[in-house]
Amino acid sequence: GENVEQHPSTLSVQEGDSAVIKCTYSDSASNYFPWYKQELGKGPQLIIDIRSNVGEKKDQRIAVTLNKTAKHFSLHITETQPEDSAVYFCAASIRVGRGYSTLTFGKGTMLLVSP
Amino acid sequence: DGGITQSPKYLFRKEGQNVTLSCEQNLNHDAMYWYRQDPGQGLRLIYYSQIVNDFQKGDIAEGYSVSREKKESFPLTVTSAQKNPTAFYLCASTQGANYGYTFGSGTRLTVV
Repeated sequence: GENVEQHPSTLSVQEGDSAVIKCTYSDSASNYFPWYKQELGKGPQLIIDIRSNVGEKKDQRIAVTLNKTAKHFSLHITETQPEDSAVYFCAASIRVGRGYSTLTFGKGTMLLVSP
Repeated sequence: DGGITQSPKYLFRKEGQNVTLSCEQNLNHDAMYWYRQDPGQGLRLIYYSQIVNDFQKGDIAEGYSVSREKKESFPLTVTSAQKNPTAFYLCASTQGANYGYTFGSGTRLTVV
């Protein structure tokens, strides 16, 4: 099955700095890669995603890059703010038939942005 | 507003008891999922359902059971066979392959 590795497990930055979180996946059939933000005691929220037919996607301060040859993808947050502090998860999808898929998640990165 | 509702938010189980976690969605999504979250372990797939009256085991299905009698509802039962049930349980749904999941707010289950 799919295996997703995520690094680092914790990341501390100063407000205004950039943060980068990296993930690798094992199954070359994976073709959809979402990123989620989870605040304490809440469910994860989708913040950005990328499909395998593009190499980069940007949404304001957040961007994701995908290298299918190397099987890795990264989340970039610029101009970090204290409210960006949360746990971030990457995921890779595998189709399971009937037009649906399941997501395999990385173990998460705890991002702490200090004022 | 459309979304996923999980209840209860907190649940306490005695040794040997079965407990059922509720998950309801009004997004008209066909596919629903249950994940378990433990500290430092990420999210692990328990069961998923792509259509009413059909469901498949995920990576850690032992000790759990589900049903999908209605499109809107996908309850999870944690049975006494699950030896380490204390965890945060998340329900999710999606409109199709290669679309993001919408997650509920979770149920925290504790064995007492």
